[in-house]
This record gives sequence, C-alpha cells and structure tokens, in this order.
Amino acid sequence: KNQVEQSPQSLIILEGKNCTLQCNYTVSPFSNLRWYKQDTGRGPVSLTIMTFSENTKSNGRYTATLDADTKQSSLHITASQLSDSASYICVVSPTGGGNKLTFGTGTQLKVEL
Amino acid sequence: NAGVTQTPKFQVLKTGQSMTLQCAQDMNHNSMYWYRQDPGMGLRLIYYSASEGTTDKGEVPNGYNVSRLNKREFSLRLESAAPSQTSVYFCASSQQNSYANYGYTFGSGTRLTVV
Repeated sequence: KNQVEQSPQSLIILEGKNCTLQCNYTVSPFSNLRWYKQDTGRGPVSLTIMTFSENTKSNGRYTATLDADTKQSSLHITASQLSDSASYICVVSPTGGGNKLTFGTGTQLKVEL
Repeated sequence: NAGVTQTPKFQVLKTGQSMTLQCAQDMNHNSMYWYRQDPGMGLRLIYYSASEGTTDKGEVPNGYNVSRLNKREFSLRLESAAPSQTSVYFCASSQQNSYANYGYTFGSGTRLTVV
C-alpha cells in the first residue's frame, strides 16, 4: 500500500530560526513529490513540485530536497517568520495519474516570538 | 483572480438530511477533485472528474455523488448524511489529470458537521 509518513508530527521554533521537515514514502513507481502549506482554516497551497530526476527545488525561503533512491524528502525553511505557522503536507504521485496522489498527515509548525 | 471557490464554508446537518456542496474554478482547468480531510489522516479522494462529462470514484466514494455540471463547476452531493461524514471537504482543480506534474489548486474548504 502506498504510504507517506511525515516527521515530526509537530514542531515549535523561534522566529528567525531554521527548521527541516521530513517525508518518507513508499509510493512506487514514483512520478513526483509535492510539498503544500496549509494555513488554519484554508486549503493547501503548493510550495514545490519535484520529479524523480530533481534533487532540490526552492521557493523563496523554502527549499525541498529529494532522494529518490532512499525515498526521502525534506523541506527546509530558512529564517522562519510568524506567517510560516501552518501545516506542511508532503504529497506523492505515482507514475501515470494525478488522481492517485497519496497525502501525508502533515507537520504542524508553530513559529513563536 | 478567484481560483477555486467553494460554498458553503460551514454547514451543520442532521442525520439523514441531504445537501450539495458547490465548487467552481475560473482557471480553465480540465480536471476537478473532491477530497475530505479528517483529523490525523491525509486528504482522501472522494470523486474526481478528469474532464468535462466524466466522473470517477476515488478512495472513499460511499455515501456521495457528484456532478460535473460544466467545465467550471463540480458539485458533491450527500444524499443521506451520516455522522461519519463530518469532515472538512476540499475541492481542487488541475490543468490535466493524466500528467501528474501539474499542480493542484485547492478551495478554502467546507466544514461539515452531521449531528
């Protein structure tokens, strides 16, 4: 069964600090991996999409990495801001169909003063 | 620049009542989706429409029906609501279903409580 596991489940950091969120998946054959940011009471918003041939992709202060051999991805947030407080969801797509996305349960990040 | 619009934002139903969740997108996307999000679980696909005129079941379709009214609109209907359908429902759209690298745009969600 295709699975996506994220860690940690929750995280609290001080404003200005960096943090890294982890994602492990068992989806095969693998097509791409996405990271989404979901603010409380809102729908998920796409941060990055990486295919199996990409190792890293950045979007402002967000940098995602992918190791397709070990089936691991990470999302690094640099110089965190209060507005980064949200749930970060890792989503993996198998080859051949966007409707078969597997969603992780998310990492709940809180950035404090 | 609305993106994906869902209505209503909140709804409380009694067990056995019916209702329709509305979704519309203004990005000329071909594919549309309905997901539910429950605490401690990832989003799960209820139904999807790869293109206008087609609909298919997702992972958790029981108790739901859908209609792809036109290219813009995709509605989700609960015929006889049950407490197990208490959830947050998200509509999403994407440019193309068969090419998995296209990103999804999600609506803001409908928070449904069935009592």
